[in-house]
Amino acid sequence: GAVVSQHPSRVICKSGTSVKIECRSLDFQATTMFWYRQFPKQSLMLMATSNEGSKATYEQGVEKDKFLINHASLTLSTLTVTSAHPEDSSFYICSAGEVEGYTFGSGTRLTVV
Amino acid sequence: GDSVTQMEGPVTLSEEAFLTINCTYTATGYPSLFWYVQYPGEGLQLLLKATKADDKGSNKGFEATYRKETTSFHLEKGSVQVSDSAVYFCALSGDYKLSFGAGTTVTVRA
Repeated sequence: GAVVSQHPSRVICKSGTSVKIECRSLDFQATTMFWYRQFPKQSLMLMATSNEGSKATYEQGVEKDKFLINHASLTLSTLTVTSAHPEDSSFYICSAGEVEGYTFGSGTRLTVV
Repeated sequence: GDSVTQMEGPVTLSEEAFLTINCTYTATGYPSLFWYVQYPGEGLQLLLKATKADDKGSNKGFEATYRKETTSFHLEKGSVQVSDSAVYFCALSGDYKLSFGAGTTVTVRA
């Protein structure tokens, strides 16, 4: 079946630095990928829709300059958290596939200290 | 807009007990409905889905039926195991996006 690989699984960074998270579709091409954020014991919040070769579509309230998304190929989307602060600490999950069965990455636990 | 309302947890059960997690939805059009499961520290895995009214999705002993008349998609399993301990999310697809319920934490005790 479809596999989505997300890397890294955990990252700790200092306040003010930037962190890049990769999301790869391993055995299929994904023109669209989705980035979610999940706070502890809460549901997933869609942050943005990543479109290959074009600008990402951000959900209301998500800062596009803070959460940079690049979808340069049909198998790779990246989320860069710029100038990270402790409040950006969260679990970030990507997904890809068809609407009838999206596949999710294993998630990235970001801790900003 | 589209939304999913899911039974609040946490739910704690003994092994071999019956599990049901309620899920209702609000949507325009005819969305597909999903149940996803999340194990600790991991991403989400698709558990089952239904794409039209009266469809029944099933997997690993779990079942859910797409009820258009009650706008519901309740998840059931007749005999749970410790390995079923996880967070379960109900979701619907609309405008090529998924909308998730709040999630229900299920703990099964031996």
